Amino acid sequence: QPALTQPASVSGSPGQSITISCTGTSSDVGGYNLVSWYQQHPGKAPKLMIFEVTKRPSGVSDRFSGSKSGDTASLTISGLQAEDEANYFCCSCAGSGTVVFGGGTKLTVL
Amino acid sequence: QVQLVQSGAEVKKPGSSVKVSCKASGGTFSNNAISWVRQAPGQGLEWMGGIIPIYGVINYVQKFQGRVTFTTDESTSTAYMELRSLRSEDAAVYFCARGGVYCGSSSCYPAYYDGMDVWGQGTTVTVAS
Repeated sequence: QPALTQPASVSGSPGQSITISCTGTSSDVGGYNLVSWYQQHPGKAPKLMIFEVTKRPSGVSDRFSGSKSGDTASLTISGLQAEDEANYFCCSCAGSGTVVFGGGTKLTVL
Repeated sequence: QVQLVQSGAEVKKPGSSVKVSCKASGGTFSNNAISWVRQAPGQGLEWMGGIIPIYGVINYVQKFQGRVTFTTDESTSTAYMELRSLRSEDAAVYFCARGGVYCGSSSCYPAYYDGMDVWGQGTTVTVAS
């Protein structure tokens, strides 16, 4: 049972915006501004998209943005493109230097 | 730019052990935190723990405690993950990943949780009799 709860799937049409939620507790998501998001295409390694809730690594499109409210973090993808279709995982610091992942969300671009 | 290159696929019998390597190419990882993450077929990512060589810190998720060992060989910039007493449910792709450097109010330090920005390609471990 993953520690962080994500919707199993979301979908959107090209050009639209979607938001993926990631719900934890005050011991992880709510307790630290240390949420990251990963994009994973089938058969590939995960790719870091967002770290420290809102920061984007160099090279990641500004169509990807992160936020947090209480125990829930969110990843928003605006201007959906076909190549955004992938699985997305959230990850949070869980205290004592450890991390936990969400169960993952499959994004389908219609 | 550092790349992490992992060892090849393994087929193991139940009860045996597997040792996966993760070599830093184009740099080192001694100043970073290295996480080990696994992904069972069709499932999500699972953090197994990690190692921070510069501090000699090793973290194991309780689920794997006693069955897994993380080590590094800094002379070859290689990290290792050994998992023992393999079961069918250990069949998965195992990834190593480099953590970022977290800067607090007064200092910066390597951390697993500050975005894993470089990943190995993954090593498939099959457990079958």
